[in-house]
Amino acid sequence: KNQVEQSPQSLIILEGKNCTLQCNYTVSPFSNLRWYKQDTGRGPVSLTIMTFSENTKSNGRYTATLDADTKQSSLHITASQLSDSASYICVVRVRGGYNKLIFGAGTRLAVHP
Amino acid sequence: EAQVTQNPRYLITVTGKKLTVTCSQNMNHEYMSWYRQDPGLGLRQIYYSMNVEVTDKGDVPEGYKVSRKEKRNFPLILESPSPNQTSLYFCASRHGTGTNEQFFGPGTRLTVL
Repeated sequence: KNQVEQSPQSLIILEGKNCTLQCNYTVSPFSNLRWYKQDTGRGPVSLTIMTFSENTKSNGRYTATLDADTKQSSLHITASQLSDSASYICVVRVRGGYNKLIFGAGTRLAVHP
Repeated sequence: EAQVTQNPRYLITVTGKKLTVTCSQNMNHEYMSWYRQDPGLGLRQIYYSMNVEVTDKGDVPEGYKVSRKEKRNFPLILESPSPNQTSLYFCASRHGTGTNEQFFGPGTRLTVL
């Protein structure tokens, strides 16, 4: 069964600190993996996309990694800011056909001053 | 501005009173989807459409209907709403090819009493 699991479910950090969010997936055949940021009460917005051949991709203070062998991805946030408080959702696309998207349940991050 | 719009943003209704949530996108996307988001469960797909007059069930279609008569519009219809359909609803759209980045609307918070 195609699944995406994220950990931790929630996380509280102090402003300026770094953190890493995890995503494990059992999706086949794999096409790509995206991390989305969802602010409270708003729709998710794409942060990064990782394809099979990519190991690392950065978007400002956000760095995503992908290990296609172990089917794991991480999102590292550097020097966190209050505006980073949001839910972060890992989404894996199934290759072929409709190209279905499999969503993780998300990690809720709270950055405190 | 490229966007997905939904209306209404907030709706409180009573059991059994038919309602429609509209969704429109201006990016000429082929694919459109409806999701519901409930605490701890993440985003779950209700229905999707691969093009005009082509719709199919997602993971949780019971109690919902959709139509795709025009490429830009994808309304969600609740013929007889029930309290278990109280949720946060998102419409999304994407191209059928390429990286498949999904663009989400701002969300509709529905309460069924």
